[in-house]
Amino acid sequence: GNSVTQMEGPVTLSEEAFLTINCTYTATGYPSLFWYVQYPGEGLQLLLKATKADDKGSNKGFEATYRKETTSFHLEKGSVQVSDSAVYFCALLSSSEGSARQLTFGSGTQLTVLP
Amino acid sequence: DTGVSQDPRHKITKRGQNVTFRCDPISEHNRLYWYRQTLGQGPEFLTYFQNEAQLEKSRLLSDRFSAERPKGSFSTLEIQRTEQGDSAMYLCASSPSGSTDRAYGYTFGSGTRLTVV
Repeated sequence: GNSVTQMEGPVTLSEEAFLTINCTYTATGYPSLFWYVQYPGEGLQLLLKATKADDKGSNKGFEATYRKETTSFHLEKGSVQVSDSAVYFCALLSSSEGSARQLTFGSGTQLTVLP
Repeated sequence: DTGVSQDPRHKITKRGQNVTFRCDPISEHNRLYWYRQTLGQGPEFLTYFQNEAQLEKSRLLSDRFSAERPKGSFSTLEIQRTEQGDSAMYLCASSPSGSTDRAYGYTFGSGTRLTVV
């Protein structure tokens, strides 16, 4: 079946530091890949996405590149801010219809950015 | 459209009571999903609807859980005879149907946090 493995947290960084959160996946076919962000007490917000190999998703200074050869979709940001403190989830959506037709999430990575 | 709405935001109930949650998806989305998220974990799929048809249910959805989507609009998730292990955040999401959801992703609501005491 499909699965997503995320780098374990929590991650604590100083403001303006470089961020990487690792994500690897297992899936058949050609899934779409997503990063979602969850602020305390809230639901999930879509941060960025990529639908095919070598696509780069980007939003709000965050980037992730769909690497089929390494089955990875690592999240990066060059300079984090205190407001980026949240939980980040990597997820995949299978290209198959039927029983695989759902978002599969990683366990999440808690990011705390200190001023 | 204001996105996916869930009600209530928080619910505290005594063990053994029944609870019902409501989700209003984005109006043009005909797929609707329920997920459960426990503390420190990613969301886990429970069930999904295409229009009014419930097309898939997870093994997590025991017979105490039932979901409906009458008329293919809003949905309700009912938990009967609640147990402490049911305490979690219940998330609803919606998406367009067909291949477009692979590019679009899902839009999530803010969730209903259930606490069973």
